[in-house]
Amino acid sequence: SQQGEEDPQALSIQEGENATMNCSYKTSINNLQWYRQNSGRGLVHLILIRSNEREKHSGRLRVTLDTSKKSSSLLITASRAADTASYFCATEGTNAGKSTFGDGTTLTVKP
Amino acid sequence: GAGVSQSPSNKVTEKGKDVELRCDPISGHTALYWYRQSLGQGLEFLIYFQGNSAPDKSGLPSDRFSAERTGGSVSTLTIQRTQQEDSAVYLCASSLARRYQETQYFGPGTRLLVL
Repeated sequence: SQQGEEDPQALSIQEGENATMNCSYKTSINNLQWYRQNSGRGLVHLILIRSNEREKHSGRLRVTLDTSKKSSSLLITASRAADTASYFCATEGTNAGKSTFGDGTTLTVKP
Repeated sequence: GAGVSQSPSNKVTEKGKDVELRCDPISGHTALYWYRQSLGQGLEFLIYFQGNSAPDKSGLPSDRFSAERTGGSVSTLTIQRTQQEDSAVYLCASSLARRYQETQYFGPGTRLLVL
């Protein structure tokens, strides 16, 4: 089964609003990463947060990590139509090797 | 600079045929990953290479799937006797090294359709 699970599965907001997506995972991690995927395109790395970090910012993106709850959130502030995409979280477990991805949240930002 | 490239970008094949998918990682990246993404689904890990060796093949769905990497660079994912359920986008990613906390950089993917 997938390690990371995003919710909601789909989110539709108006331009200018904030969008929050959540990711939960099951086992201990070294880091958690968020990716964006535009329709028909490859994945684009957004932000990486290490297990000893609690919050990280990059432009309009804010990521939090709560290892006690095994969850992370991605906040996109002042959303734009161009933010419309699927967003995935990926966790790298403490066992060396692969990152495990969830099924993603599909975000639609209406102009 | 050049990113991860994959070829072909699209592949249509008939059931039962073999296909080869190619990945060119970012130069100097020692770790390489293959993932599969079915329509509307998340990524499914297939295999991970560190250099030319594959310490983790746990994600390969069947013995029809194999992958190799030569010269610590280009990797080929081969699917033998393709089935319709193999239809998906196959994504390759590379990272600088197999250390913790290394960002993976993804290619554009190969869209495979098995008729």
